[in-house]
Amino acid sequence: NAGVMQNPRHLVRRRGQEARLRCSPMKGHSHVYWYRQLPEEGLKFMVYLQKENIIDESGMPKERFSAEFPKEGPSILRIQQVVRGDSAAYFCASTPNGGSSVDTGELFFGEGSRLTVL
Amino acid sequence: AQSVTQLDSHVSVSEGTPVLLRCNYSSSYSPSLFWYVQHPNKGLQLLLKYTSAATLVKGINGFEAEFKKSETSFHLTKPSAHMSDAAEYFCVVSVRGNTPLVFGKGTRLSVIA
Repeated sequence: NAGVMQNPRHLVRRRGQEARLRCSPMKGHSHVYWYRQLPEEGLKFMVYLQKENIIDESGMPKERFSAEFPKEGPSILRIQQVVRGDSAAYFCASTPNGGSSVDTGELFFGEGSRLTVL
Repeated sequence: AQSVTQLDSHVSVSEGTPVLLRCNYSSSYSPSLFWYVQHPNKGLQLLLKYTSAATLVKGINGFEAEFKKSETSFHLTKPSAHMSDAAEYFCVVSVRGNTPLVFGKGTRLSVIA
């Protein structure tokens, strides 16, 4: 049973370009979370999605960032017009139950996508 | 609002000696608490969790943590460190029914041979 799959693992972009990060949740999981990890920092919540729905985007920057989780295919985190401050590791996690993840006690994390903006 | 403070950014121990990684939390409601481990360039793996059952929680790889409400602490311990324990450890808090999980800044554990 494959785990959470993220790609690309490493992405280099120049300032002003677009970055697209993809996440395929574990089989049977219909809820996806995106977290950002800056150097020397913990993980910061960005957005929580179900299939075709954004449940909580309170951690998303107001501009340039968007996320989707279509009915078919992976979840995508899109960053437009990237700046150097966007350089970070972006982690995706999935659960089968979504908001009550404390009941299962676990988010299942991918290995992350590391974005470098030159 | 809930928050987590990991008191040490870096802990270094010798192989075979005890490990103590400290975590204090703040929460308006009864929290659920977790410890996750992250090995270099890897994702995060759940070590253990506290969800209002037994206050002493045993996890994988010999780790355990004790929930102390009076001290608002959830420190992670292991009797004897192994080289493979070298990693980043995150203390995490959540309030039942709410998202998202709130992560501490992490403690980097080094194990010296």
